[in-house]
Amino acid sequence: DTAVSQTPKYLVTQMGNDKSIKCEQNLGHDTMYWYKQDSKKFLKIMFSYNNKELIINETVPNRFSPKSPDKAHLNLHINSLELGDSAVYFCASSPSGTTYEQYFGPGTRLTVT
Amino acid sequence: GENVEQHPSTLSVQEGDSAVIKCTYSDSASNYFPWYKQELGKRPQLIIDIRSNVGEKKDQRIAVTLNKTAKHFSLHITETQPEDSAVYFCAASRTGGGNKLTFGTGTQLKVEL
Repeated sequence: DTAVSQTPKYLVTQMGNDKSIKCEQNLGHDTMYWYKQDSKKFLKIMFSYNNKELIINETVPNRFSPKSPDKAHLNLHINSLELGDSAVYFCASSPSGTTYEQYFGPGTRLTVT
Repeated sequence: GENVEQHPSTLSVQEGDSAVIKCTYSDSASNYFPWYKQELGKRPQLIIDIRSNVGEKKDQRIAVTLNKTAKHFSLHITETQPEDSAVYFCAASRTGGGNKLTFGTGTQLKVEL
């Protein structure tokens, strides 16, 4: 089944902990993204990788560190979690080049208590 | 950077009526304008997109119009059905921008029976 997948789907953790979210796509795309959707549903890009190279790095606290071991995987590690990090995190992928449709994963709902 | 404004934030229509959602963008270099639909608890999914070399695009009950001079684009849904109820996001990006999508703030569409 071709898709963008993320694990875990739900993540509940306490302030100060470190956690990771994993993303994989089997669509053969070269570019992958991380988005954050807050409680007001606002979708904002955080990072983008093209062929394992970081190409977009928005104003995100350096507690967030993306890692792309290969072009089919993009993981997000978050250190010292804060209450304000609670959100839904979406991974997405697209072909590289110019402007293309982005395919989103199912999302990871992170709750920091 | 690009700024995308979207109106209205909520829209309630009767089944069978039309719905129109409007967006404006700030970066005159933007040339790709997708619309995403997000059902409750689900991932955003592309429903239609338009590039700056055309002024209108239609796909069955959905159409998008683009006015480059005024820097605004609109989504039109005709003969609305209950399954059209969702949050709709407009977005903009430009060639050479790493396919970075800047999203609008979303419109919650409710189609009432």
